[in-house]
Amino acid sequence: AQSVTQLDSQVPVFEEAPVELRCNYSSSVSVYLFWYVQYPNQGLQLLLKYLSGSTLVESINGFEAEFNKSQTSFHLRKPSVHISDTAEYFCAVRPYSSASKIIFGSGTRLSIRP
Amino acid sequence: NAGVTQTPKFQVLKTGQSMTLQCAQDMNHEYMSWYRQDPGMGLRLIHYSVGAGITDQGEVPNGYNVSRSTTEDFPLRLLSAAPSQTSVYFCASSSGTSGGVFEQYFGPGTRLTVT
Repeated sequence: AQSVTQLDSQVPVFEEAPVELRCNYSSSVSVYLFWYVQYPNQGLQLLLKYLSGSTLVESINGFEAEFNKSQTSFHLRKPSVHISDTAEYFCAVRPYSSASKIIFGSGTRLSIRP
Repeated sequence: NAGVTQTPKFQVLKTGQSMTLQCAQDMNHEYMSWYRQDPGMGLRLIHYSVGAGITDQGEVPNGYNVSRSTTEDFPLRLLSAAPSQTSVYFCASSSGTSGGVFEQYFGPGTRLTVT
């Protein structure tokens, strides 16, 4: 079985400050890793994914995440946040063997203060 | 291309009533799923389908039924609504091809309240 732990339910930061949203996972099988973003009153959108290869992956809007196999972590970072980044962020894993079953973390609400 | 659509957006039910949440996608995706989102619990998988005529249970299937008679539609039925089913429900789809299977496309959600 798989599980995903997002250690912080809420993260308040000031605009233009750096941010890190933490994600740890547990799995007895190999998994793919994802970050999804949910803007207010919307569904989830894929932000970035790690499938294989380079352990550092980037999104088009400046977020990056690094896969650390030894620590079973996939933390999300951005060096300078903007008001428009205000959203809830979900870390998720998917076993190699199952295309349908994605396990989500409980989410981290990122709030940006001007 | 509308993507994944869900109806209704909001619904209030009385305990014991039944209803169907509709989900449709126009991307010819093989995989479709239903999730419920509750505060502090992330998204939990209710049921999923890997193609027309094939469905399976997820993490929290009790009290819900699904069927998949066409590739496009994947309705979720609440048999006898209970207050514990008050939640936001999301439908998602993804392609079965090796490149597309990694990204799920989500609908806008249905906010259900059971009194």
